[in-house]
Amino acid sequence: QSALTQPASVSGSPGQSITISCTGTSSDVGGYNYVSWYQQHPGKAPKLMIYAVSNRPSGVSNRFSGSKSGNTASLTISGLQAEDEADYYCSSFKTSSHVIFGGGTKLTVL
Amino acid sequence: EVQLVESGGGLVQPGGSLRLSCAASGFTFSSYWVTWVRQAPGKGLEWVASVSADGSDKRYVDSVKGRFTISRDNAKNSLYLQMNSLRAEDSAMYYCVRLITGTIAMEVWGQGTTVTVSS
Repeated sequence: QSALTQPASVSGSPGQSITISCTGTSSDVGGYNYVSWYQQHPGKAPKLMIYAVSNRPSGVSNRFSGSKSGNTASLTISGLQAEDEADYYCSSFKTSSHVIFGGGTKLTVL
Repeated sequence: EVQLVESGGGLVQPGGSLRLSCAASGFTFSSYWVTWVRQAPGKGLEWVASVSADGSDKRYVDSVKGRFTISRDNAKNSLYLQMNSLRAEDSAMYYCVRLITGTIAMEVWGQGTTVTVSS
């Protein structure tokens, strides 16, 4: 089962906005509104940041937002802060299995 | 406090077996789908298996079908992963995760337990 496609790395300066893409197929990202995004700091368990494409769990900063167009979902982080430096993973429901993750994107805050 | 605590990881030889456990507390365990997710050292996240709230619906990633079995005991607020015929590529941190009802979003994560398959 091939992973969803994410850029290996992105970077931005404090205060800027960045966007991480997550590309799949009509059998996963494009076919369902079940895309989630996770933040993972080194040595820590992942944290849910966005679910159902664009919903933020309680406690997650409104600097984080999600969207989807066709087979590609996106996570945008505005007003970049040093603490946002982490790995980010997307996931989606997938026909014939259940869940599929992206390969992960390392965000560097310059 | 909502909490998931994994246990049972360790070092096992190729072809061996291991049973992971996950103890849930602070919420009504029997109301939620739960999932195992793993992460090999330096690698990304990989979904392994999920089980429905009542235990009747089980899903597996292709690479573990026929070798791993997910199960739960709602009376004991516990989730399990029986792993047989272990391979080196099964070496990873294994996380127990609770899903948001009606979605596949992984809302509550345990701290993980490490499985190492090596001779």
